[in-house]
Amino acid sequence: QSALTQPASVSGSPGQSITISCTGTSSNVGSYNFVSWYQQHPGTAPKLMIYEGNKRPSGVSNRFSGSKSGNTASLTISGLQAQDEADYYCCSYGGSSWVFGGGTKLAVL
Amino acid sequence: QVQLVQSGSELKKPGASVKISCKASGYSFTTYAMNWVRQAPGQGLEWLGWINTNTGNPMYAQGFTGRFVFSMDTSVSTTYLQISSLQVEDTAVYYCARPLNSGGYYVGLDIWGQGTTVTVSS
Repeated sequence: QSALTQPASVSGSPGQSITISCTGTSSNVGSYNFVSWYQQHPGTAPKLMIYEGNKRPSGVSNRFSGSKSGNTASLTISGLQAQDEADYYCCSYGGSSWVFGGGTKLAVL
Repeated sequence: QVQLVQSGSELKKPGASVKISCKASGYSFTTYAMNWVRQAPGQGLEWLGWINTNTGNPMYAQGFTGRFVFSMDTSVSTTYLQISSLQVEDTAVYYCARPLNSGGYYVGLDIWGQGTTVTVSS
């Protein structure tokens, strides 16, 4: 499967909200409620932030939220903080495999 | 606590093979499948596939059949990724990752190993 499409970069100021989009197809994002989002700081392993489109694992701040409309999923981070600066990846189940997005670099200005 | 500990960095020449290990602890090994994900330098995450730790049956993503082999040893709660005929393009950090089970479905990857850097260079 082709990678999901994410913007290469987004930015925001502390306290603001940003949204990262993740566009797939009717074979993955559009057909399954199994979209997950990962945060990755340089030199570290990815961390699960959102699963099943809008659920947060224990310990993840409620400033992180997810949604989906058609073939596009979105991650919203509200009340931006300096430590949110990282790479973010979406991932979707596609029937018999998983596919990641290309990643989005979030800069907190 | 639940954790995955991977083997150390590897430096290999093109054409060689490498075998990476991922040791699980803190949970029942055969209860969860194990996924493998790679990240080339400066690039994004790429799903390689997964192994059913209950049956040993592997499933490979498109483009990762043939040279990539998943295996496991339940006696030591360890899964392995072997890559043969290494190419320079295989240079990457390789992660093992345990999926999150929600309502009987795997819905994301919530436990990750620390990553193993494989460098292929002549």
